[in-house]
Amino acid sequence: QVQLQESGPGLVKPSETLSLTCTVSGGSISSYYWSWIRQSPGKGLEWIGFIYYIGSTNYNPSLKSRVTISVDTSKNQFSLRLRSVTAADTAVYYCARVEMATGRYFDLWGRGTLVTVSS
Amino acid sequence: DIQMTQSPSSVSASVGDRVTITCRASQGISSWLAWYQHKPGKAPRVLIYAASSLQSGVPSRFSGSGSGTDFTLTISSLQPEDFATYYCQQANSFPMYTFGQGTKLEIK
Repeated sequence: QVQLQESGPGLVKPSETLSLTCTVSGGSISSYYWSWIRQSPGKGLEWIGFIYYIGSTNYNPSLKSRVTISVDTSKNQFSLRLRSVTAADTAVYYCARVEMATGRYFDLWGRGTLVTVSS
Repeated sequence: DIQMTQSPSSVSASVGDRVTITCRASQGISSWLAWYQHKPGKAPRVLIYAASSLQSGVPSRFSGSGSGTDFTLTISSLQPEDFATYYCQQANSFPMYTFGQGTKLEIK
């Protein structure tokens, strides 16, 4: 079955760029929307943005100025870059598949990766 | 922005109990609501989409109802594996998604 796996550094310094990759296995990245979601310690889930497999994107307005999501269909991966990070960006970051046809919800998720912003 | 408010924030219950969690939207969202179950260290799992549609593979003891601003997730007979945190999520303001703050379901 289709599985998602996040990867990337677990520690990022303040003001630097957080970079994560989500690898999709067991299925094709094509014909779907893919998303990043995060959960800061003790807080709820926050949608970061999504990308369609052909490259069109939408971002949370609160993060839009710092976020870029990209896709590499040849590797079956999509990626997140978050610039100028601060301690407030410390969170577990999840990648997820978006089911658009029936309900605009996240039908598959990765297990998440903790990213800590600290010097 | 549409705000999603869940209640209660935590609930204690026993195996076999019926549990209801509510989610209220700050404005009408039609039926654009999903429910998720999340256990520590695991991938969140969708239970219900479009307010009342059961995701494939999810046990029938889970059900969802509501439309507009008020929604409920009901677990008809709690099983040991159901103790987790539950989140609602709205998609009416697509492409902007927002989640509720979560309801932690604990063993009594």
